[in-house]
Amino acid sequence: QSVLTQPPSVSAAPGQKVTISCSGSSSNIDNNYVSWYQQLPGTAPKLLIYDNNKRPSGIPDRFSGSKSGTSATLGITGLQTGDEADYYCGTWDSSLSAAVFGGGTQLTVL
Amino acid sequence: EVQLLESGGGLVNPGESLRLSCAASGFTFNNVWMSWVRQAPGKGLEWVGRIKSKNVGATIDYAAPVKGGFTISRDDSKNTLYLQMNSLKTEDTAVYYCTTQGGTDGSSHHYWGQGTLVTVSS
Repeated sequence: QSVLTQPPSVSAAPGQKVTISCSGSSSNIDNNYVSWYQQLPGTAPKLLIYDNNKRPSGIPDRFSGSKSGTSATLGITGLQTGDEADYYCGTWDSSLSAAVFGGGTQLTVL
Repeated sequence: EVQLLESGGGLVNPGESLRLSCAASGFTFNNVWMSWVRQAPGKGLEWVGRIKSKNVGATIDYAAPVKGGFTISRDDSKNTLYLQMNSLKTEDTAVYYCTTQGGTDGSSHHYWGQGTLVTVSS
């Protein structure tokens, strides 16, 4: 059971937009920065978003992040088949003094 | 170019020990906080622990499931991160990634190695 809650799966058609939610609590998301990761099949995770809404260099602006209270959201526009992957949210939990991840969301581009 | 290369994984029996290494290049290693993250087969990401840089005391934090059994260390002269794993259990079977930490509070994992597989089985 993950500290952060994500939907197990989401799907959308190519070219459409999808959002992935990440729900936490006052000890993690509400008071710490959120990051998002993409893991393509058989590869290591890659950072997509950090500090709630910042993109590392090389990450297209189709990917966006937002946070409100104890929840965070990853948005992906202009979906491509190459976006099919598992997506994870992460943050620090001040009560646990530990980094925590969501359980992951599998994105299918139909 | 940032590169993280893990090594040391393999098949061990329950109760045995293993030491993983992560050789870093392409950045100033001694200034960067580092973490280990693992992923059991078919499962999600699980943080193992982190070590801060020496200029802030090289503080180490561990996830509850590994505290007391795993030890993280770093050798800044060799640009290498280590994970000593003792008394291994079958539930420690996973791919182990080393990561660099960044962001405003140091909590995001910016670069990842390719991972090294640890299998604990009799």
